[in-house]
Amino acid sequence: KNEVEQSPQNLTAQEGEFITINCSYSVGISALHWLQQHPGGGIVSLFMLSSGKKKHGRLIATINIQEKHSSLHITASHPRDSAVYICAVTPNFGNEKLTFGTGTRLTIIP
Amino acid sequence: ETGVTQSPTHLIKTRGQQVTLRCSSQSGHNTVSWYQQALGQGPQFIFQYYREEENGRGNFPPRFSGLQFPNYSSELNVNALELDDSALYLCASSLQGAYYGYTFGSGTRLTVV
Repeated sequence: KNEVEQSPQNLTAQEGEFITINCSYSVGISALHWLQQHPGGGIVSLFMLSSGKKKHGRLIATINIQEKHSSLHITASHPRDSAVYICAVTPNFGNEKLTFGTGTRLTIIP
Repeated sequence: ETGVTQSPTHLIKTRGQQVTLRCSSQSGHNTVSWYQQALGQGPQFIFQYYREEENGRGNFPPRFSGLQFPNYSSELNVNALELDDSALYLCASSLQGAYYGYTFGSGTRLTVV
């Protein structure tokens, strides 16, 4: 079992829909990251959070430390949101490497 | 403020050859981490350098080695390339580790034939 699990693996939605991507982890963490990866490969950091909720534009990230679960929400989705969204955690021990989930491929249809 | 720059962007090598990938860290960052991302998979941690010393290593063989320079830029070297080394190699820089977040480069896509 992977230390970081994401669901769904693939998600296709119509433009304007509310999107939710889930992440569960099995290790103690110091931080959880939501990342966006476009087809070219480069990764953009969207959020880093260790508690509560963060919002940036149409993106909202929440985390429940007790349940070891985080969600990424996209409101009023747009085709330009199409990308792979990756959840990653920094374990609360060792050298602060990132452990990644396998990603959720999101496709927004106009 | 500059971001993280990786070079080259694409590379094709023959099995058995050696390769060096480069990463310039974001200004003010002193930690560089390298990740390997196989097609359709999440990135896997290779190793991290902090102030020019290796600061942790993932489950990769010794033919994967690295360096960090006084300006905090870094190199990833892979010897005796194997076909399974074909992947996207990502570099991420940070300041004092994860607390301050990471900045990622665009990656180097390595193809071994």
